Order: sequence, then structure tokens, then C-alpha cells
Amino acid sequence: GQQLNQSPQSMFIQEGEDVSMNCTSSSIFNTWLWYKQEPGEGPVLLIALYKAGELTSNGRLTAQFGITRKDSFLNISASIPSDVGIYFCAGQAEYGQNFVFGPGTRLSVLP
Amino acid sequence: GAVVSQHPSWVICKSGTSVKIECRSLDFQATTMFWYRQFPKQSLMLMATSNEGSKATYEQGVEKDKFLINHASLTLSTLTVTSAHPEDSSFYICSAKRGSYNSPLHFGNGTRLTVT
Repeated sequence: GQQLNQSPQSMFIQEGEDVSMNCTSSSIFNTWLWYKQEPGEGPVLLIALYKAGELTSNGRLTAQFGITRKDSFLNISASIPSDVGIYFCAGQAEYGQNFVFGPGTRLSVLP
Repeated sequence: GAVVSQHPSWVICKSGTSVKIECRSLDFQATTMFWYRQFPKQSLMLMATSNEGSKATYEQGVEKDKFLINHASLTLSTLTVTSAHPEDSSFYICSAKRGSYNSPLHFGNGTRLTVT
């Protein structure tokens, strides 16, 4: 079946640093979603991407839909302690299919 | 907008009893809701797709008689864990889709189930 890989699995960064993470697949996807999950809570939608090459920002977060349609990237600028959490990507290969979730990238921000 | 409420946020029950978890879309109608299970430090595992007015579609390996899903209205889906056992202890999360086929999923806050 379709699988998503996320890299890195986890990262420790200093407050103020920029963060980059990615999500890759062997299959083509039509839609990419990025979520953040904090402990004991449900995932919260950060950014949705619908077109190859699309670059979308949400505050300090920027995500891109890769032009090959097999990957997506999420960047966080000037990280702050509340950025701590697990970041999940999700992809939909065809309209109407269920979204597939990646394993997540665990972000820790050191003050 | 796109608020999904899940209740209860946590529940402790004895082995052999049943537990019902509710998922409500508060400010939109959701013809489709989804139920996930999440183990510690793992990703979301889709259990079933809940369709308003029809039977739920279960993922392979998920026992439909164990995890009963009812989607009686456009704003409410329920998951009942029947005859719960300690191995059913987990974090259960629902999500709802607002709009068209590629609309994003909006998640509830999850329910921590502990079976003693």
C-alpha cells in the first residue's frame, strides 16, 4: 500500500533556529496536509497543499508541495518553545481516497 | 471554523464493560468521519470510516463487532468499544471532513481509554 516516510524522525534544536523537515513517498499524491500534535491532544491542521509546486505559509510555517508530487516540505522559522510536538504529514493519492499519514517528526526546542 | 469535539477526553473502565466515545462536528456537517487509534510514539492508525446513514467501513484487521460505529446524524459519530480488555487501552481520535473529496481532516482532541 501507499506509505509515507518522514525525515528526520526526531530533532533537537535551539530556540530561534529554523527547522526543515520532509515527507516522501514512492507514489504520486494530489493533496498534502501538515499537522502538529501535542501530547494528549488530537492533531491540529497547519497547512493544506493542493497543487504541485505550491508554496503556502501560515505564520512562521511554510510548506511546499514538491514538483514531483512525491514529496512535501515543512519549514519553521525562528523556532520557539511552543513549537515542540510531533509533526505529521498526510497525503491523498486520489480524490475520495483516505489520507495516509506519515510516522511523524518529533521536534524538541531547547531554550 | 471546523471544530470537532470528542467526549470523553479520558475514561477508565473495567475489563468486560463497554465504552462509548462521541465525536461531534460543532460548526459544520460531516457526511464522513474517521476513527483512529494511536499507540505511544506512533502515528495514527485508521480503524474505520464512518458514513452518515450507512454502515461503517472497517480497515483490515479491525473487528467490527468489537468496535461498533454509529453515524446517526451529520454531526455525530460514536465509537463503542465492546467487552473491553486491557489490550484495548489506547488513544482514540476521531476526525471529520468538511467539504469535498480532498478537504482536510479536522481532528477531535482524542480519548484516552484505560481498561483495568
